[in-house]
Formats: sequence, structure tokens, C-alpha cells
Amino acid sequence: AQSVSQHNHHVILSEAASLELGCNYSYGGTVNLFWYVQYPGQHLQLLLKYFSGDPLVKGIKGFEAEFIKSKFSFNLRKPSVQWSDTAEYFCAVNPISTGKLIFGQGTTLQVKP
Amino acid sequence: DGGITQSPKYLFRKEGQNVTLSCEQNLNHDAMYWYRQDPGQGLRLIYYSQIVNDFQKGDIAEGYSVSREKKESFPLTVTSAQKNPTAFYLCASSIPGKETQYFGPGTRLLVL
Repeated sequence: AQSVSQHNHHVILSEAASLELGCNYSYGGTVNLFWYVQYPGQHLQLLLKYFSGDPLVKGIKGFEAEFIKSKFSFNLRKPSVQWSDTAEYFCAVNPISTGKLIFGQGTTLQVKP
Repeated sequence: DGGITQSPKYLFRKEGQNVTLSCEQNLNHDAMYWYRQDPGQGLRLIYYSQIVNDFQKGDIAEGYSVSREKKESFPLTVTSAQKNPTAFYLCASSIPGKETQYFGPGTRLLVL
């Protein structure tokens, strides 16, 4: 079955620390890849996406993610986190032509001021 | 403002009762989705609809039903057959072929 795995369930960092959240998926075909973020009390919103082209994609608020096809991975990074980055982060995969998104379990990021 | 609205924000259900969650969008999107969010499990797809008057079961459709009579609306009914309905329910929409989904604020359903 198709699945998405996020390795870190709960991450605690101090401000200015670097962040990397892991995401791996199991699907052999072509995929679109997404990271969504859910800030406390707010809608789930798109952070960044990869459809094709440069495997290093940049999103909002200084986030970036790298698609490594050989590793079936789409890890999220930020060089220096801020307290306002405290949120839940979801990796999602769209196997082409299915019309569906498959979400990972989510990672709760807590940034200490 | 364009967007997705869900109502109510909180909903209480008694045992054996059906409840309906509302989802409306004015983004002119053809596709709409319902997800259930539980702690530590991410979002799981309940039902989705790519076009009016058509919908498909997702991964956890048992105990739920939907209708899609209008492009703007995709209500979800949580029936008494759903034995563990307490969860946060999210509605989303997208343009078919453009797989970025846009989400509503969610409805939290609690069982009394």
C-alpha cells in the first residue's frame, strides 16, 4: 500500500537552531510532493510543493525541501528556526493520476524562545 | 474573500445520532475532499469528489456518507455506524490536475 512516513513525531528546538524534518514515501511511480503546515488555531496551509524540475524547492518563510528520487525522500529544512515556526508539519504525496493526497503522520515542532 | 468555510467549529453528537458537517467553497474548484485528523495519524481521506454528482470512497469511508449536488458544497454525514467519530474533520478543494489542495478551518466533532 502507498504510504508516507515522517520520522520525527515531536521536535523541540531553540531559536536559531537548524531544522530538518524527514519524509519518505512508498510509491514507485511519478509523484507530486508537498509540505503543509498547521499553525496553532489556523488552517492547514501549503508550505511548498514539488512537481518537476529542480529537486530543491523553496517555500514560504525560509523553508526549503529537497526531493531525492533514489531515496524516495522529500525532507524539509530551515537553516534557522524562529519561535513563530512552532506548528505541526505534514508531508503529503500525490501519486500522479490518482487525484489523492496521502499524508504522513505529522511532526509537531516546538521552538523555544 | 475566496476560501473554504466549514461549520460548525464544534459539534456534539449523541450516541446513535447522525450529524452533518458543512463544507462550502467559493474558489470555483471542481474537486472537494473530506479528511479526518487524529493525533499521531496525520490526515486520512474519507471521501472525495472530482465533479458534481460524483464521489468516491477514500481510505476510511465506513460510517460516513456524502453528497455533491452543487459545485460549491460537499456535506459530510457522520452516521451512527461510525463507532469512533471523535476527531477533527477537514474539508479541502482543488482544481483537478492541479493537485494543490486548499483547506478549510475544520470542525471538531465530540461524542457525548
